[in-house]
Amino acid sequence: QVQLHESGPGLMKPSETLSLTCAVSGYSISIGYYWGWIRQPPGKGLEWIASIYHSGNTYYNPSLRSRVTMSVDTSKNQFSLELSSVTAADTAMYYCARHDSVYYSDRSGRDDAFDIWGQGTTVTVSS
Amino acid sequence: QSVLTQPPSASGTPGQRVTISCSGSSSNIGSNTVSWYQQLPTTAPKLLIYSDNQRPSGVPDRFSGSKSGTSASLAISGLQSEDEADYYCATWEDSLKGVVFGGGTKLTVL
Repeated sequence: QVQLHESGPGLMKPSETLSLTCAVSGYSISIGYYWGWIRQPPGKGLEWIASIYHSGNTYYNPSLRSRVTMSVDTSKNQFSLELSSVTAADTAMYYCARHDSVYYSDRSGRDDAFDIWGQGTTVTVSS
Repeated sequence: QSVLTQPPSASGTPGQRVTISCSGSSSNIGSNTVSWYQQLPTTAPKLLIYSDNQRPSGVPDRFSGSKSGTSASLAISGLQSEDEADYYCATWEDSLKGVVFGGGTKLTVL
């Protein structure tokens, strides 16, 4: 049974750098799949942040690209997110998820789904 | 403002069939598959539908997905009280080279 578990600082101050880690159990991330981060501000909808493959290939949300870095550590079977210069607008529940992503060249289309999610970790940015 | 447009709310009575729409464009839904997620109160989202109309193991067949052109729909038949949740659609957006979510639809079972 594949499980994902997020860990993070909880409370942060503006301008600091947020670091989150997602530990994966029940599946070796070096086998395949992309691995992603999604966030949800209080009372609002879901926002995809970024996804990474075990090889290091990464996709970022353009609106966050300048502040986000994803990395993967196959030896620890975990992946991480760094978000720099946080503000109150970054206050949210942060979820990690397994990202099943396939590109079909025959029809020039993609097939994407987040099939397994962690329980989420709350990040609050406040001075 | 989300790239994918969903109605903010929907409702139905037990046993009824309800549908939730997700409207996009040629660069997202029109080119790529759609997934749907159910988020029960205070819990993480759960994959409900992938590849437009496929159900993961364990998801009841009361839930079904469809797509036509640049719009997708989630249908829930035999509505139950435990279906009361927020529902989100998602797909790949070619111009952004990333995943986009709809704004979400809050389903109320009356």
